[in-house]
Amino acid sequence: AQSVAQPEDQVNVAEGNPLTVKCTYSVSGNPYLFWYVQYPNRGLQFLLKYITGDNLVKGSYGFEAEFNKSQTSFHLKKPSALVSDSALYFCAVRDITQAGTALIFGKGTTLSVSS
Amino acid sequence: SQTIHQWPATLVQPVGSPLSLECTVEGTSNPNLYWYRQAAGRGLQLLFYSVGIGQISSEVPQNLSASRPQDRQFILSSKKLLLSDSGFYLCAWGLAGRSSYEQYFGPGTRLTVT
Repeated sequence: AQSVAQPEDQVNVAEGNPLTVKCTYSVSGNPYLFWYVQYPNRGLQFLLKYITGDNLVKGSYGFEAEFNKSQTSFHLKKPSALVSDSALYFCAVRDITQAGTALIFGKGTTLSVSS
Repeated sequence: SQTIHQWPATLVQPVGSPLSLECTVEGTSNPNLYWYRQAAGRGLQLLFYSVGIGQISSEVPQNLSASRPQDRQFILSSKKLLLSDSGFYLCAWGLAGRSSYEQYFGPGTRLTVT
């Protein structure tokens, strides 16, 4: 079965410090991986994706993610955190068993950036 | 550019009452459409998806149903709501075919069943 795991319910960082939000995956075949961010009472916003190519993917708002096939990980990173980055972050993988390209989401990680 | 709308934004309904949530997409044709439910600010559960008009796939057995009467319209319904139907309902769209796989989400509907 395909799945993604976000091992941390919450990540706390100070403003200006680098941040990492972890994600590991389990899929059959090549993974299609995604990161989304959700602010309170809002829909999810797409940040970035890995389909193929360079293992370091750059996305919106200064975020990037590193695909590591040997560790089956796709960690989200940012060199310098902002207070406004505080939100709920979801990792997702494409569900190849579905014809409609549905996504399987992790349970989410709350990022809290303190000033 | 593409835009996705959901309404209403919030809804409070008594147990046993009917439900109709609507989602529409602008700026694209023949999108894949999805309904998710999010409980307690976490974990998205895929409820239904559609790859075309009248084509609905259900992921979870429940008292909810979905319909796609038009290409860019997706409706979530229930004849009789349960307390457990409370949650944050998100509609999403994605491009058909294999060109990309990300989904784009609407603003959501907060449903409280009392």
